[in-house]
Amino acid sequence: ETGVTQTPRHLVMGMTNKKSLKCEQHLGHNAMYWYKQSAKKPLELMFVYNFKEQTENNSVPSRFSPECPNSSHLFLHLHTLQPEDSALYLCASSPGRGPAGYTFGSGTRLTVV
Amino acid sequence: SQQGEEDPQALSIQEGENATMNCSYKTSINNLQWYRQNSGRGLVHLILIRSNEREKHSGRLRVTLDTSKKSSSLLITASRAADTASYFCATDAGGGATNKLIFGTGTLLAVQP
Repeated sequence: ETGVTQTPRHLVMGMTNKKSLKCEQHLGHNAMYWYKQSAKKPLELMFVYNFKEQTENNSVPSRFSPECPNSSHLFLHLHTLQPEDSALYLCASSPGRGPAGYTFGSGTRLTVV
Repeated sequence: SQQGEEDPQALSIQEGENATMNCSYKTSINNLQWYRQNSGRGLVHLILIRSNEREKHSGRLRVTLDTSKKSSSLLITASRAADTASYFCATDAGGGATNKLIFGTGTLLAVQP
C-alpha cells in the first residue's frame, strides 16, 4: 500500500451507465490529481485539486466530472462514456507546495462496453 | 503538449548489467522526476532532481540532468530481474501553486535472469 487507495480496482460499465471512481489518501497531502493512462500513450493529466480547489482541468470532456469534498478524498464521476475512454485511471497526491514526488494509487482499470 | 520523451522505448538486458534510459523535454523546468511502473499498477516515485542540480544518486540509481540540452538520464547499476518495469520521466515546469507533472512515454525495461 502506498498510502493512496483507489476503488474499485476494476470496473466494466456500459455506455449509458453512471459510475464513480474513488481515491483516498491519508498522507496529509494537500494536492490530488487524476491521470488517464491509455495503451501506447503518455499519462494524460486530467484534473488537479489543491486544498480542495480545482486548479487544472486539462480540456477533459464533461462526461468526466471530478469532485473533491476534502483534501483526503477525490472522486471521478463517469457518465455516458465511450469505448475510447477505456483506460487505467490513476489518482495521485503530493504535498502541494514546493518540489515533491507524487504518491500514486494502484489505479482503476476501466472498460467501457 | 507532451513534455518528456524517453529513449529507448524498450530495453532488454541481462541481470547484472547496467541500464541507461534517456529523457528529453521541451521547455524550462523546475525539477525532473523519474518513476517506475510495474505492469498495470500505479507509478512509484524514484528520484527528483532540481534544475540547479547536475547529478543525483539513490542506491543503485544515478540521475543526471543537462538543462542546456534539456535532457536527463537514469542509470540503474547491477540490474536485477525485479527491476523489470516501465520507467517514466516527468517534468515540473513550476510557476503555479501546485507542482504539476507532465509525463513522457516511458521506457520498458526487461531484465533477463
